[in-house]
Amino acid sequence: NAGVTQTPKFRVLKTGQSMTLLCAQDMNHEYMYWYRQDPGMGLRLIHYSVGEGTTAKGEVPDGYNVSRLKKQNFLLGLESAAPSQTSVYFCASSYRGVSTDTQYFGPGTRLTVL
Amino acid sequence: AQSVTQPDIHITVSEGASLELRCNYSYGATPYLFWYVQSPGQGLQLLLKYFSGDTLVQGIKGFEAEFKRSQSSFNLRKPSVHWSDAAEYFCAVASNFGNEKLTFGTGTRLTIIP
Repeated sequence: NAGVTQTPKFRVLKTGQSMTLLCAQDMNHEYMYWYRQDPGMGLRLIHYSVGEGTTAKGEVPDGYNVSRLKKQNFLLGLESAAPSQTSVYFCASSYRGVSTDTQYFGPGTRLTVL
Repeated sequence: AQSVTQPDIHITVSEGASLELRCNYSYGATPYLFWYVQSPGQGLQLLLKYFSGDTLVQGIKGFEAEFKRSQSSFNLRKPSVHWSDAAEYFCAVASNFGNEKLTFGTGTRLTIIP
């Protein structure tokens, strides 16, 4: 039981490049989330999914897209990376929603955009 | 809109001393409240949560927190800290409207000295 895993752990991009971050969970959770963490700020929700095939915008969705084609995977895409997207990205999952269930977090992906 | 304030950016305590980390929230109704811990280079781990009922909540690793509605606070406490408690601690609040928005505070970094 690996819990929540994230790929890659580190990545350096140039401005304008694209990339996809992969989040996988083996807990059969319905809900999955993508957050970003910036210095001096708490985690902020980018996008989330309440089940396979669904996605919804969070607090800071601009510049990101997501897909949930399989229940166990939640992908976060950056189509044209910008330096403002330099951050640590965390994925989380839970069986039900945040108001009723515990979120389990992955170890994070550190992304630098030059 | 819900919000969380953690007034202490950094706290240093001696090993074996007691600890209290402050958290104040802003939310119109009864909130759902959480404390998470983040060790260096790791994802977040849930310490404890308050949904309803007893206002004193026990968590893992010997932590507890008390919900005080009159003060809009949810302070985290531990009677005797261990060196392994050195980490960053985040307070978070969620609404009970099912909008999946978990709002985090900016965090308190805890340093333990021998």
